[in-house]
Amino acid sequence: GAVVSQHPSWVICKSGTSVKIECRSLDFQATTMFWYRQFPKQSLMLMATSNEGSKATYEQGVEKDKFLINHASLTLSTLTVTSAHPEDSSFYICSARDQGKGAEAFFGQGTRLTVV
Amino acid sequence: DAKTTQPPSMDCAEGRAANLPCNHSTISGNEYVYWYRQIHSQGPQYIIHGLKNNETNEMASLIITEDRKSSTLILPHATLRDTAVYYCIVRVGDTGFQKLVFGTGTRLLVSP
Repeated sequence: GAVVSQHPSWVICKSGTSVKIECRSLDFQATTMFWYRQFPKQSLMLMATSNEGSKATYEQGVEKDKFLINHASLTLSTLTVTSAHPEDSSFYICSARDQGKGAEAFFGQGTRLTVV
Repeated sequence: DAKTTQPPSMDCAEGRAANLPCNHSTISGNEYVYWYRQIHSQGPQYIIHGLKNNETNEMASLIITEDRKSSTLILPHATLRDTAVYYCIVRVGDTGFQKLVFGTGTRLLVSP
């Protein structure tokens, strides 16, 4: 199946710094990618829809100035957590659909962010 | 998208069939049923989806009731590696780029 790769797999950063997470579709083009956040023992929460060449669409309650999304090409979307704080520590997951194939979405392996 | 209800947890013996139920009583005619699973600390993995007919692939079978208000995911011979959280999701269409909204899922524990 199609492969979605995230980088890094895990990251530890200091409070107040910014962290960038990359999501790549390795063998297909994705005009749309999705970013999720997952806290321990909870389900995935959709944060935003990333659209190639245009602004992301954020879910209610997600601060767009804090979670910057850039979808500069058909194979790459980035999520930047700005001025990170300990409460931003979470598991961040992206997904994409191969527009040339069927209905299933493919997910990256996730990025575990720890803010200290 | 219609709401789904799943039991929070289930147990299954290795080698036996695991039958995971999902209620989606408010499903509408153009909504599909999708199943994903998430193994600990990994991204979700697509399993199967269907509209009204039963579906089978190399991973599982999906049985949808005639009124489409509920469905069952069947793992015919569960292994220890099938231990995961299983999510049943209902959403419109099987093309395009509609978002997937995850519920709380069923935590399946497969034991030796």
